[in-house]
Amino acid sequence: DTEVTQTPKHLVMGMTNKKSLKCEQHMGHRAMYWYKQKAKKPPELMFVYSYEKLSINESVPSRFSPECPNSSLLNLHLHALQPEDSALYLCASSQSWSGVYGYTFGSGTRLTVV
Amino acid sequence: DQQVKQNSPSLSVQEGRISILNCDYTNSMFDYFLWYKKYPAEGPTFLISISSIKDKNEDGRFTVFLNKSAKHLSLHIVPSQPGDSAVYFCAATLGGSQGNLIFGKGTKLSVKP
Repeated sequence: DTEVTQTPKHLVMGMTNKKSLKCEQHMGHRAMYWYKQKAKKPPELMFVYSYEKLSINESVPSRFSPECPNSSLLNLHLHALQPEDSALYLCASSQSWSGVYGYTFGSGTRLTVV
Repeated sequence: DQQVKQNSPSLSVQEGRISILNCDYTNSMFDYFLWYKKYPAEGPTFLISISSIKDKNEDGRFTVFLNKSAKHLSLHIVPSQPGDSAVYFCAATLGGSQGNLIFGKGTKLSVKP
């Protein structure tokens, strides 16, 4: 299995809703990432987990809450989002820190906040 | 301040010809550079990487060249195929304890039959 699987593929939520994005990989990668990508912009890093511990939080608002229950799973819990949070949320994993093998990205969750 | 820059938002090439995608960076501490390809509604797909201690890496039709003194890298695709049409992102990483991929804004490549 050489994929990163993200669910759901599309999500529409109201500003008072609570929802979660899920990411799964079975490649034995020990680093996992959440990226946010707005239209016509590059992906921007949100969080990095290394060995199931949060190692980087790029000053992301607390309405985004990451969780890494085990080495294969990464969640992003969403609460009280704003319309400007609408974006493509990408999960990625990598074998090493240096990225020499490249990061494997999922197909993303297209989030719309109404 | 953008650390990784792709100054050409788009590039159009004839099938069979060479595509050259360019990328400039400002941080001399980057130790790996990567190219990703992205189709609409899909996540980026890793193409090829190069270590900062090398000046060339080749994989099939894809070759990446690194000029450290100019802080410039380029991706060559030869021969270009219509299926190569996508957005190409240049990315760089500091490695070590950072683990952060920093992306350029991307270049949309169109390969015409």
